[in-house]
Amino acid sequence: DADVTQTPRNRITKTGKRIMLECSQTKGHDRMYWYRQDPGLGLRLIYYSFDVKDINKGEISDGYSVSRQAQAKFSLSLESAIPNQTALYFCATSDEKNTEAFFGQGTRLTVV
Amino acid sequence: DAKTTQPTSMDCAEGRAANLPCNHSTISGNEYVYWYRQIHSQGPQYIIHGLKNNETNEMASLIITEDRKSSTLILPHATLRDTAVYYCIVSQSIYNFNKFYFGSGTKLNVKP
Repeated sequence: DADVTQTPRNRITKTGKRIMLECSQTKGHDRMYWYRQDPGLGLRLIYYSFDVKDINKGEISDGYSVSRQAQAKFSLSLESAIPNQTALYFCATSDEKNTEAFFGQGTRLTVV
Repeated sequence: DAKTTQPTSMDCAEGRAANLPCNHSTISGNEYVYWYRQIHSQGPQYIIHGLKNNETNEMASLIITEDRKSSTLILPHATLRDTAVYYCIVSQSIYNFNKFYFGSGTKLNVKP
């Protein structure tokens, strides 16, 4: 099983719909992150969480919200999806005791 | 965290060494150089990191100049599966992962 699992892997939704992307991890890490990636560009940080009670906005949080339900779970919501939120979304985890961060396989979201 | 400059793309023949440069002229004394790669829309994957000394692991070698203003990631025997975008990132530690800047990176094309 993957260390970081994202569901769904692909999703097409309509403008105005609410959608939730889910992320779960088995690494036991306290820190979790949500990124989006647009074609040909790098990753941009949406939200991050240092622990269950600590959630922080990233570079591009407008139009998104998150929920840290447990140490292992971090969900990203689009309350009212719009077409320019069409992108590839990644979840990641890290722990200062380790030297690397771990990413999920990504969720490809299309808003029509 | 200091910013980095990487070439947009590079080609490498299969079986040859791939040498990916990175400039980080404003790096601070306590900042590490990290390398990640992203294979075809998968989640980024950690490769290696270093502070001053050259580092080697099973994936790659990292050569950091004495003044630490630039570094080179070396894939000693590139394969087609090494075709990916390679990100050079400078940061004090994985503790600051929320500040890791995944820019456009270098697209490495390994050719038969």
